[in-house]
Amino acid sequence: QVQLKESGPGLVQPSQTLSLTCTVSGFSLTSNSVHWVRQPPGKGLEWVGAIWSGGSTDYNSALKSRLSISRDTSKSQVFLKMNSLQTEDTAIYFCTRFWVWGQGVMVTVSS
Amino acid sequence: DIVMTQGALPNPVPSGESASITCQSSKSLLHSNGKTYLNWYLQRPGQSPQLLIYWMSTRASGVSDRFSGSGSGTDFTLKISSVEAEDVGVYYCQQFLEYPFTFGSGTKLEIK
Repeated sequence: QVQLKESGPGLVQPSQTLSLTCTVSGFSLTSNSVHWVRQPPGKGLEWVGAIWSGGSTDYNSALKSRLSISRDTSKSQVFLKMNSLQTEDTAIYFCTRFWVWGQGVMVTVSS
Repeated sequence: DIVMTQGALPNPVPSGESASITCQSSKSLLHSNGKTYLNWYLQRPGQSPQLLIYWMSTRASGVSDRFSGSGSGTDFTLKISSVEAEDVGVYYCQQFLEYPFTFGSGTKLEIK
């Protein structure tokens, strides 16, 4: 059964770095891509970026300068790191393969 | 970036009636391979999005046949025949032809 589960801190201070982990099961990261999507409270969905089966990455150009996506295939984990966080980065962060989604993790940027 | 524009619904929709949600892209999503790179999702209150339709008109596994997708290269429609209480939520279209994979702003469905 294919599953994805996000984890990470619920609260991050402004200007700090966000680190999230997506732990997957039921499929191999070396054969499949994983995407990150975020959703500010009460708003719509925004594609953040992706890591492909070969390990290459693509990012939303609006976030590219602050964003890094990587993985550890031996642990079946995908990582998202975003620096210089602002209050506008407050959102639910999902990892997904589009046909299956994680439950999401709420991240609040506040001092 | 490709801009996705969604239409609104005349909420609330009476139970048992049909509902059509429109989505327009700023660029054709029809690839030279003949496939149209458009997904439809439903996000029920408090839940993660659920894929309903991919390649513009192919239903995802386990999705009711009350949901159907159609369209051209830039204009798309998600039709829900005979809406039910479980269909309540926000519907999103998404293009996955080019990065960033942009979403529409969402269309809310309420049932009467």
